[in-house]
Amino acid sequence: DGGITQSPKYLFRKEGQNVTLSCEQNLNHDAMYWYRQDPGQGLRLIYYSQIVNDFQKGDIAEGYSVSREKKESFPLTVTSAQKNPTAFYLCASSIPNGSRFGAGTRLSVL
Amino acid sequence: AQSVTQPDIHITVSEGASLELRCNYSYGATPYLFWYVQSPGQGLQLLLKYFSGDTLVQGIKGFEAEFKRSQSSFNLRKPSVHWSDAAEYFCAVRGTDKLIFGTGTRLQVFP
Repeated sequence: DGGITQSPKYLFRKEGQNVTLSCEQNLNHDAMYWYRQDPGQGLRLIYYSQIVNDFQKGDIAEGYSVSREKKESFPLTVTSAQKNPTAFYLCASSIPNGSRFGAGTRLSVL
Repeated sequence: AQSVTQPDIHITVSEGASLELRCNYSYGATPYLFWYVQSPGQGLQLLLKYFSGDTLVQGIKGFEAEFKRSQSSFNLRKPSVHWSDAAEYFCAVRGTDKLIFGTGTRLQVFP
């Protein structure tokens, strides 16, 4: 059965460090998304990609970067410019009639 | 602007009681609507979706939702709640090229 794999499940970032969250899907979906989840704020869109080698900023893209070199992969880098990175990060892939989500990565700051 | 409102941040029900979670949307065209459930520390799982046709849609785990265009609502219901239903529930509408989520409703179930 296909799905979305996020790794690692837990990640710790030191001050000034960039960290990369992995998201891989074998659903053959064209579109992929990164969301950030904070308590009481629901899901906020960071970046999304409708097709390989193309991506768009979401509502809170500052301090983050992405790449989409392969259809299956959409890694998210949390840069040192993101001053409040502690959150739960969810990756999703989508076709028009529905989205599938990964199990998430919880990022904390040391 | 496209948006989703879930008026209830937190709901508590007794096991076996009925449940209704509210969702209101703002969208110009015919909406594609979704309900997702999230257990603590997990990703989101699709419960049900509405695209067109019958306004009462059935989902997994005994949930159903009714689309009411006149009220711009898509409320989620379950006739008898189980302790395992305790989770956070998100309503979403499909925008131009992305899903727009509500802020979620946390459901607590007492035995």
